[in-house]
Amino acid sequence: EDQVTQSPEALRLQEGESSSLNCSYTVSGLRGLFWYRQDPGKGPEFLFTLYSAGEEKEKERLKATLTKKESFLHITAPKPEDSATYLCAVQAWGSSNTGKLIFGQGTTLQVKP
Amino acid sequence: GAVVSQHPSWVICKSGTSVKIECRSLDFQATTMFWYRQFPKQSLMLMATSNEGSKATYEQGVEKDKFLINHASLTLSTLTVTSAHPEDSSFYICSASALSAEQYFGPGTRLTVT
Repeated sequence: EDQVTQSPEALRLQEGESSSLNCSYTVSGLRGLFWYRQDPGKGPEFLFTLYSAGEEKEKERLKATLTKKESFLHITAPKPEDSATYLCAVQAWGSSNTGKLIFGQGTTLQVKP
Repeated sequence: GAVVSQHPSWVICKSGTSVKIECRSLDFQATTMFWYRQFPKQSLMLMATSNEGSKATYEQGVEKDKFLINHASLTLSTLTVTSAHPEDSSFYICSASALSAEQYFGPGTRLTVT
């Protein structure tokens, strides 16, 4: 069964304190791994798509990496405005697959000034 | 680019009535649209997948007669919650994708059934 597990569930950082969020996955055939940011009361905002092991993508203070079993979202020198819930999702290949995403439970990040 | 809108952003309705939520892709043609619901402090739960001009595919446990989905064009999908009850109160979010794998999400609709 395709599954996504994110850790930690919650993370508190001081402003400027770098850290990483983990997304472990098991999937029959990975089509893509996605990172989203969700603020309270809003829909998820697309951040990155990773397709193959070894791939890395960056956007401002965020960097996403991918291996065959997990993905990391590295946050460098975070600011209070980076506080949000970060969601990881995978999309699998397969005739029965409709392109749907399988989400992890998310990591809620709080950055204190 | 890749903007998805939802309307209304919040709605309050009485138990037993129906409510319709619209999802629009504003700057691209969405071959597939997805509907999710999200409970407080929980992740997104996929309800159904719809392709333009086809019947929606519902996830296991989702009542298709209660949650009616229409995907009439490449830029519009609607979710109608029929005979709503308080337990249907939730945050409903749609997403849309074109030929690429990425899904772009709308801002969500908060439904409260009294």
